[in-house]
Amino acid sequence: DAGVTQSPTHLIKTRGQQVTLRCSPKSGHDTVSWYQQALGQGPQFIFQYYEEEERQRGNFPDRFSGHQFPNYSSELNVNALLLGDSALYLCASSFYPGGQETQYFGPGTRLLVL
Amino acid sequence: GENVEQHPSTLSVQEGDSAVIKCTYSDSASNYFPWYKQELGKRPQLIIDIRSNVGEKKDQRIAVTLNKTAKHFSLHITETQPEDSAVYFCAARPSGTYKYIFGTGTRLKVLA
Repeated sequence: DAGVTQSPTHLIKTRGQQVTLRCSPKSGHDTVSWYQQALGQGPQFIFQYYEEEERQRGNFPDRFSGHQFPNYSSELNVNALLLGDSALYLCASSFYPGGQETQYFGPGTRLLVL
Repeated sequence: GENVEQHPSTLSVQEGDSAVIKCTYSDSASNYFPWYKQELGKRPQLIIDIRSNVGEKKDQRIAVTLNKTAKHFSLHITETQPEDSAVYFCAARPSGTYKYIFGTGTRLKVLA
């Protein structure tokens, strides 16, 4: 039973560029959340996707967008990269049986913006 | 706004001793409180969680307690081992939302 997977593991971009990160949820999970974890900080919620729609969004600008596919996998897109976007981007998947849920994290994509 | 405060930021204990990490949340309607362990360069891993209708939960050497009145919850690790060394994050899920609000983390060092 595969856990949450993410690709790529590492990425280096320059300011102004665009990036796409990918996530495949744990088998049986239908919901994907994205978090940004700056060095030495706790993860910050970006948004959550369910049934191919953004269900909730955190305090991140519109430069951050996402998508969920029919197979429940998801992408995070960041446009017009800033130096401050350098962070570990974590994907978490979950399933909501009767409203109870636990989020399981992937290994993350470490993004460096130069 | 929604906030989770976590203390201490670093904690060093001797092997075999107990470790306690405390978190306070601001949204009184929060109803789910997971704890994650993150080793260097690895993913956060769920180690224990507690829901708002329960006051305490144990899993072998790990326990979590919840005080809803005071809006705080704590992680207790007994008989610590070197492999318990990691960064621990508490989180709270405000009621009616799908997001977790994380604390700033506690770096636990277990000295052999």
